[in-house]
Amino acid sequence: EVHLVQSGAEVKKPGESLKISCKGSGYRFSTYWIGWVRQMPGKGLEWMGIIYPDDSDTRYSPSFQGQVTISADKSITTAYLQWSSLKASDTAMYYCGRLMEGGNDLFHYWGQGTLVTVSS
Amino acid sequence: QLFLTQSPSASASLGASVRLTCTLSSGHSSYAIAWHQQQPGKGPRYLMNLNSDGSHNKGDGIPHRFSGSSSGAERYLTISSLQSEDEADYYCQTWGTGIVVFGGGTKLTVL
Repeated sequence: EVHLVQSGAEVKKPGESLKISCKGSGYRFSTYWIGWVRQMPGKGLEWMGIIYPDDSDTRYSPSFQGQVTISADKSITTAYLQWSSLKASDTAMYYCGRLMEGGNDLFHYWGQGTLVTVSS
Repeated sequence: QLFLTQSPSASASLGASVRLTCTLSSGHSSYAIAWHQQQPGKGPRYLMNLNSDGSHNKGDGIPHRFSGSSSGAERYLTISSLQSEDEADYYCQTWGTGIVVFGGGTKLTVL
């Protein structure tokens, strides 16, 4: 059974750095794309980027390019989303998801979400 | 440009049926999509993927009450025998070269 387990809620101050994680299990982690999605309070889902863990091929939404870094460590079946300098506007729920096989970039399985709160 | 359009809200009575619509932007009518459900206070849940010919594959444990269909650039999610737990936000999603796109979501209210 496929599972994606995300790290716990974070409370940070503006300017701080942060790295959240998404651990996959129940499937061959390295050969499925993993994606990250932002959901700001009361808003819809926004695609941030995807990564292919086997070779770390990464694609970013233009809206998030340069704002975050997506990475993965296939040896521990974990993907990451990180910020070098958080802003209050980064306050949101962040979801990871595993995409379908065969180049079909549809989200198929979801993590439970990580709430990030950035406040001075 | 690839984008998905959804009505912001919909409502239907308990036990009735409702059809939600997701419209692909011009020139992308052949694209497959996925439907995702997000119940209040929860994360998204994959419901099904839906092809342009109307064929679809539902996720594990998704009730028979949920079905998908297509017509041209429109992709539909039909929920029959509505239950209170179907009150949720419903998002469609597709992808293009190097991008993933979500619709704005439809908030379904069960009366």
